Amino acid sequence: DQQVKQNSPSLSVQEGRISILNCDYTNSMFDYFLWYKKYPAEGPTFLISISSIKDKNEDGRFTVFLNKSAKHLSLHIVPSQPGDSAVYFCAASSATNAGKSTFGDGTTLTVKP
Amino acid sequence: GAVVSQHPSRVICKSGTSVKIECRSLDFQATTMFWYRQFPKQSLMLMATSNEGSKATYEQGVEKDKFLINHASLTLSTLTVTSAHPEDSSFYICSAGTGFNSPLHFGNGTRLTVT
Repeated sequence: DQQVKQNSPSLSVQEGRISILNCDYTNSMFDYFLWYKKYPAEGPTFLISISSIKDKNEDGRFTVFLNKSAKHLSLHIVPSQPGDSAVYFCAASSATNAGKSTFGDGTTLTVKP
Repeated sequence: GAVVSQHPSRVICKSGTSVKIECRSLDFQATTMFWYRQFPKQSLMLMATSNEGSKATYEQGVEKDKFLINHASLTLSTLTVTSAHPEDSSFYICSAGTGFNSPLHFGNGTRLTVT
């Protein structure tokens, strides 16, 4: 049973427009959520996170929204830039699981100039 | 920021040989490091949690005798793939955290090809 799901394997947007990446989870014990960005042949890099006590966290062009009742989070990138083209992983962890993160399958974002 | 160095970035080995991958936290101490495996177009699959000074904790389905993990110091964890076979060919990535509910810092991964 996959506890973190990213149902869209890919997303393509025009430069300057908004990119919205979605993530759903099933484990109600998750209390910390993160987004990572990954370029080919590199390890993921941390992008933004949100605690379950919040419903929104913003950092520059990146905003993460959390809907606990729906067990859904999303990452908004606005405005999107060609350099944002990468694979984005959603991850979740819980205090009861020693902080181990569970990852989604990733969404490949392509931002077209 | 926290940097994790992973070596080698690529390795090709013959079937039956062993390969060691190193993961170092360069500017922070990591009591816990994680080892992942990534298949093409798939997510990061957690293989094991490496704890400094104690035995690693392996995820279900991961052979501990095949994937030997050693965490000898607060800045170094190693993964040794023993008696490698072509099906072990994959992208292996390590990560380290600076505390609970803190982001993980990843190495750049190791592309292992077993011929």
